[in-house]
Amino acid sequence: EADIYQTPRYLVIGTGKKITLECSQTMGHDKMYWYQQDPGMELHLIHYSYGVNSTEKGDLSSESTVSRIRTEHFPLTLESARPSHTSQYLCASSEGGVDTGELFFGEGSRLTVL
Amino acid sequence: GQNIDQPTEMTATEGAIVQINCTYQTSGFNGLFWYQQHAGEAPTFLSYNVLDGLEEKGRFSSFLSRSKGYSYLLLKELQMKDSASYLCAVLDSNYQLIWGAGTKLIIKP
Repeated sequence: EADIYQTPRYLVIGTGKKITLECSQTMGHDKMYWYQQDPGMELHLIHYSYGVNSTEKGDLSSESTVSRIRTEHFPLTLESARPSHTSQYLCASSEGGVDTGELFFGEGSRLTVL
Repeated sequence: GQNIDQPTEMTATEGAIVQINCTYQTSGFNGLFWYQQHAGEAPTFLSYNVLDGLEEKGRFSSFLSRSKGYSYLLLKELQMKDSASYLCAVLDSNYQLIWGAGTKLIIKP
């Protein structure tokens, strides 16, 4: 059973607000990822981390930032939300690299920016 | 560019068999994944293929042909709970996952 949690599950905010999407996992996984997924579309990697104090940008240009101060915690921050940020954000973790095992996903955070 | 192609939607009958195809063009190949995603839920891992051939896991099987850039997911004895989107993803030469848009499978009684 995967233990990876995201909060909030749903969020509606106004343009210009700063928001942080939380992601925590209790599996001790070193590798964590943030994906963006629009309905009926493919997942796009926006950030990933291979361990504490390691963060990298993914293939999707994003105005978000991440931090990895603790193994279990990988929050995503939008400094100034815009309507174009409206999407579902999925956090995931893996025990090894993706080539060695499966990704465990959180339930997702659905963000609507008005 | 890198590309993963899957049918957008498929319909099948309860108890039947369905094959969901995935073709890919990527810069390098280090394996192919299938994930299941029920509406409003997180994707869950189904299979991983890195060598050619068929991998069977209960009612689900996954096939890979690297020379053809092709995979399929075979679901047998379909159940209503199999109604979901099925995502194909390829690990490229940089060990980055390239995702398809998913195939929405509708099961009818």
